[in-house]
Amino acid sequence: DTAVSQTPKYLVTQMGNDKSIKCEQNLGHDTMYWYKQDSKKFLKIMFSYNNKELIINETVPNRFSPKSPDKAHLNLHINSLELGDSAVYFCASSQDFGTGSSGANVLTFGAGSRLTVL
Amino acid sequence: AQSVTQPDIHITVSEGASLELRCNYSYGATPYLFWYVQSPGQGLQLLLKYFSGDTLVQGIKGFEAEFKRSQSSFNLRKPSVHWSDAAEYFCAVGARSSASKIIFGSGTRLSIRP
Repeated sequence: DTAVSQTPKYLVTQMGNDKSIKCEQNLGHDTMYWYKQDSKKFLKIMFSYNNKELIINETVPNRFSPKSPDKAHLNLHINSLELGDSAVYFCASSQDFGTGSSGANVLTFGAGSRLTVL
Repeated sequence: AQSVTQPDIHITVSEGASLELRCNYSYGATPYLFWYVQSPGQGLQLLLKYFSGDTLVQGIKGFEAEFKRSQSSFNLRKPSVHWSDAAEYFCAVGARSSASKIIFGSGTRLSIRP
């Protein structure tokens, strides 16, 4: 069973379109994240949710809207796609958030969703 | 400011040779330190982590890393690499209270020469 699964794996679309990426984790983790990896492999956190509550929003344009219907799911919706949005988007989860527990800080990543905006 | 530096963008080693990937960090307090590996087309997988205690930590796939506070380093080592070790390696640093503050280095691509 895949621990963190993302769909779709590949997404090719035109500028101006709206698209969504879905993420689900079956690890029982309380915290989920979206990371963006650019063409130079640089990884940057976008959002963090803990028990469906938005914890972190790292200066991401408001065209990006995360939604967490429950703690096992975190979806990413992107409006009015731009060329610069082309990247690989990774979903991740961790056991907990801010408890000081050593296990809280270990991220489990999905396989990534490669978004190409033409 | 918190930062992670991986000075080597790309390293090529011969199969069976030893490996050391460098990582330096800048952090205000004692950090949590991680090494992740990313195979082509895959997500990142945790190789090992340092939270406290013994500064030499063992990970999966025969990797180890040593935390050196005086040098602000957390270099990754393997005594003998295998062709399957070819991948992108990321060093990361995090706060002791928040997984969301994990900052990743820019990665080192490892190629293996047959």
